[in-house]
Amino acid sequence: DAGVIQSPRHEVTEMGQEVTLRCKPISGHNSLFWYRQTMMRGLELLIYFNNNVPIDDSGMPEDRFSAKMPNASFSTLKIQPSEPRDSAVYFCASSPQHTGYEQYFGPGTRLTVT
Amino acid sequence: GENVEQHPSTLSVQEGDSAVIKCTYSDSASNYFPWYKQELGKRPQLIIDIRSNVGEKKDQRIAVTLNKTAKHFSLHITETQPEDSAVYFCAASTGANNLFFGTGTRLTVIP
Repeated sequence: DAGVIQSPRHEVTEMGQEVTLRCKPISGHNSLFWYRQTMMRGLELLIYFNNNVPIDDSGMPEDRFSAKMPNASFSTLKIQPSEPRDSAVYFCASSPQHTGYEQYFGPGTRLTVT
Repeated sequence: GENVEQHPSTLSVQEGDSAVIKCTYSDSASNYFPWYKQELGKRPQLIIDIRSNVGEKKDQRIAVTLNKTAKHFSLHITETQPEDSAVYFCAASTGANNLFFGTGTRLTVIP
């Protein structure tokens, strides 16, 4: 089991550019979650999917953020346009249960927006 | 919504001693309480969890206790080792695909 896979692991971009983060959940898991982690705000849930369907995106900070899950093995989180305050570590997690129990995190993408 | 408070924010113990981290939650409907360990620059890793129908759960040197009446739960690490040094997060969930995290405890085990 390869675990949750995220790419890229590091991203440095200039303000105004589009950023796309990618996630492959653990095979067979029904739920997928996107989190953002900063020193100031800790771990924040941005959005989650059940069976590829977005259930709750109330954590998405602004319209500049969007997420998709076109199939059970792939999800993207897009920021357009990016801003320096978006700098953070973005984690993807997946769970084998619709309840969200037992969430397993990917290695994260460290995003730096200059 | 659920509010999870965690303390202490930092904890230093001598190797071999025990460490205790405590969390409280506000939503009485919460029924799942996991603990995550995050080493520097790494992902949060699920180390133990407990459901509301259980008062205590152990896994080798790690144990978690839950008091639903008081709405608090705790992580206990015995015989601490330097590799236990990390940030530990508690969380609570009602099972509706939400997981509310505490603010973390930085544990340092001094050799």
